[in-house]
Amino acid sequence: EVQLLESGGGLAQPGGSLRLSCAASGFTFDRYAMGWVRQAPGKALSWVSSITFSGGAAYYAVSVKGRFTISRDNSQNTLDLQMNSLSVDDTAVYYCAKVPEGYSSSSFFDQWGQGTLVTVSS
Amino acid sequence: DVQMTQSPSTLSASVGDRVTISCRASQSVSDWVAWYQQKPGKAPKLLMSKASSLANGVPSRFSGSESGTEFTLTISSLQPDDFATYYCQQYNNYPGTFGQGTKVEIK
Repeated sequence: EVQLLESGGGLAQPGGSLRLSCAASGFTFDRYAMGWVRQAPGKALSWVSSITFSGGAAYYAVSVKGRFTISRDNSQNTLDLQMNSLSVDDTAVYYCAKVPEGYSSSSFFDQWGQGTLVTVSS
Repeated sequence: DVQMTQSPSTLSASVGDRVTISCRASQSVSDWVAWYQQKPGKAPKLLMSKASSLANGVPSRFSGSESGTEFTLTISSLQPDDFATYYCQQYNNYPGTFGQGTKVEIK
């Protein structure tokens, strides 16, 4: 059974940083692209970032480019999202999600974690 | 970015009703559209990809269709478990953009 377990969410001040992690299990992690999708309170889903299966390429939404960094450790089956220069607009539930086999990082997601809440407030 | 415009934003229906949700892309996305179901406080669940290909375990009362840049999710006979919010997503272009969601509520 595929499991994606996010951690690292919490309260941060504007301008601060947080690092989210996603522990993956139940599938061969290094064969799949992965991504992060967020959802502000009461709002729609919004793609944040994706990374190829090898970690060789990463892609970002314009709103987070230059502030967020996605990375993965295929030896530990983990996906991370380093978030710097946080603003109140980054307040959201952040979901770790898996891309289906055979699809590039520009794709839909077939498995999702339960999400971790990031609140940016002074 | 490709805009995905869903309609309606809210839909009131009864158990057994046939329900249709639309999603219009601002430009051609071929058939690279996925649909998700999300219940309150839960993660999204993939319903279908490539406009009409059902994901594993999704009941056959769900179906998808495409006509140009218009995509449709149909629930043939609404069940109590189907009351949720539904999102479309195009993945033809980066970034993979989502619609604003359609909430299906009990009439």
